[in-house]
Amino acid sequence: ILNVEQSPQSLHVQEGDSTNFTCSFPSSNFYALHWYRWETAKSPEALFVMTLNGDEKKKGRISATLNTKEGYSYLYIKGSQPEDSATYLCAFYNNNDMRFGAGTRLTVKP
Amino acid sequence: DSGVTQTPKHLITATGQRVTLRCSPRSGDLSVYWYQQSLDQGLQFLIQYYNGEERAKGNILERFSAQQFPDLHSELNLSSLELGDSALYFCASSFSPVGYTEAFFGQGTRLTVV
Repeated sequence: ILNVEQSPQSLHVQEGDSTNFTCSFPSSNFYALHWYRWETAKSPEALFVMTLNGDEKKKGRISATLNTKEGYSYLYIKGSQPEDSATYLCAFYNNNDMRFGAGTRLTVKP
Repeated sequence: DSGVTQTPKHLITATGQRVTLRCSPRSGDLSVYWYQQSLDQGLQFLIQYYNGEERAKGNILERFSAQQFPDLHSELNLSSLELGDSALYFCASSFSPVGYTEAFFGQGTRLTVV
């Protein structure tokens, strides 16, 4: 059974704050880790696909890092904006299974 | 628009019935995943097909089955429906079979069992 944990469960920040979330996953038999942004009443949208230990990806104000040896990934948002409010999901893939974390729900107050 | 099409968008049916949900992947994608999101639950992986073959199985009940056809569209069959099967069912498609490429989600089918 794969255990994918995300923390914190929810986060409230002020506009302009920078923030980060954690995704923990099994460190063995790693294939890939995905980050998704999921807005209410919409479907999840891919942010990053990370496959190599030490990967760092960036898209605008959002970036992510990956440590497969210790089994964690961080997602960073710099200068949060109200439109960043969403649930951020990570998904872990091994050879024959995949699991989503429960997500971190971010609320950015103007 | 992700390029992934799910039909129908909404479905209301009675307990004990059988329904079929359909997913057309993005052009060029060979892999289709099915997920269930029940009330207050996260996304649960059900099953994955890659190029017509079942590739991975998650928390899929025996009452549920799926297949992927030669044109790569996929169907999820849910039978002997129970109230607890009411959920939002998503499919997603990707090119890679093991998560090496991003997955694109459809808009989901909301199933209500009454």
